[in-house]
Amino acid sequence: GAVVSQHPSWVICKSGTSVKIECRSLDFQATTMFWYRQFPKQSLMLMATSNEGSKATYEQGVEKDKFLINHASLTLSTLTVTSAHPEDSSFYICSARGTVTTGELFFGEGSRLTVL
Amino acid sequence: QQQVKQSPQSLIVQKGGISIINCAYENTAFDYFPWYQQFPGKGPALLIAIRPDVSEKKEGRFTISFNKSAKQFSLHIMDSQPGDSATYFCAASHSARQLTFGSGTQLTVLP
Repeated sequence: GAVVSQHPSWVICKSGTSVKIECRSLDFQATTMFWYRQFPKQSLMLMATSNEGSKATYEQGVEKDKFLINHASLTLSTLTVTSAHPEDSSFYICSARGTVTTGELFFGEGSRLTVL
Repeated sequence: QQQVKQSPQSLIVQKGGISIINCAYENTAFDYFPWYQQFPGKGPALLIAIRPDVSEKKEGRFTISFNKSAKQFSLHIMDSQPGDSATYFCAASHSARQLTFGSGTQLTVLP
């Protein structure tokens, strides 16, 4: 299957700082990327949908100024958690869909964020 | 409103047994039903997926059964192995839009 790479796989930061997580599609062009958040022993909750070259669409309850998403190219989307606080600590996972809309999504390995 | 309901929440199976996880959906517009396997600290990996034009799909030890009239689908893992111990998520989507995930099933296969 297609490969989606996330970086960093884990990050620890101090409260008030910003953290950027990258999501790359390594062997295909991704017109659409999705960002999910997952708490321990819970399901994946969709945060936002990003389409290359346009603004991200955020799910209800997700602060767009808090979670900045940029999808500047067909192979890269970034999620920036601004002014992070301990409650932002979570597992963030991106997924990407190729230009052929088969419905199949490929997931990254996830990024564990811990805010002290 | 939860659109995909998954059960059971946890499942313990002996090695060699059959693991069965069930999902029910509400939105009749859903046209793609994948199952994902997730190990701790890792992202979900696609196991197998089905579309509503077929009632069953088998790939190795994994089988999806789909009942369109009942709006239900299930994952069967034959000859379950300890290495299958993971969390399994069903999901559904409509017209290649974003996936709606079930709540997950934590499977433990005892050696």
